[in-house]
Amino acid sequence: DTGVSQDPRHKITKRGQNVTFRCDPISEHNRLYWYRQTLGQGPEFLTYFQNEAQLEKSRLLSDRFSAERPKGSFSTLEIQRTEQGDSAMYLCASSRANTDTQYFGPGTRLTVL
Amino acid sequence: GQQLNQSPQSMFIQEGEDVSMNCTSSSIFNTWLWYKQDPGEGPVLLIALYKAGELTSNGRLTAQFGITRKDSFLNISASIPSDVGIYFCAGQPNMDSSYKLIFGSGTRLLVRP
Repeated sequence: DTGVSQDPRHKITKRGQNVTFRCDPISEHNRLYWYRQTLGQGPEFLTYFQNEAQLEKSRLLSDRFSAERPKGSFSTLEIQRTEQGDSAMYLCASSRANTDTQYFGPGTRLTVL
Repeated sequence: GQQLNQSPQSMFIQEGEDVSMNCTSSSIFNTWLWYKQDPGEGPVLLIALYKAGELTSNGRLTAQFGITRKDSFLNISASIPSDVGIYFCAGQPNMDSSYKLIFGSGTRLLVRP
């Protein structure tokens, strides 16, 4: 069990650029979640996958955000035309199906200049 | 939307003291989880609670799932400097099939050696 991994750990970009983050869940976990965390707050849910199906999206996930999990293993989160308000820590978590115990990765900290 | 009220916001204690923090909600949760987060890292799971009234320990940590299913507390006994960090409660709302977690705003713990 190698844990959830995320890449990159840090990303600095200019406003208007596109960025893509990757998450590799714990290998036998069917469910994969994306959260966003801003300074001084707890993580907020963005979206989740069961295997390759994206089953729920938060209203926080504007149309500039898209997430995929094409083979039911790793997932990518893309933000198009980044804005300064997108600056945050993006966290990925995974769990076995039908359990509530989610394990988090180290996060990707995005800074939009 | 559903919210968790976590208190206190911060604590500054002497090494060796016991610590208590709690979370409350106006709605029922099926699961309560407690996480610890260090700066620049993802949340690390400490304790998971699945049944109302459940009391679970993990070393010096003890947590309970409230009987009403609307609250939970975390106790840390005999605090040590490495307990420093931000502690988050998280709950999985009742009647929610996605298993997404709702997080409190965190309790920042500082320990004076």
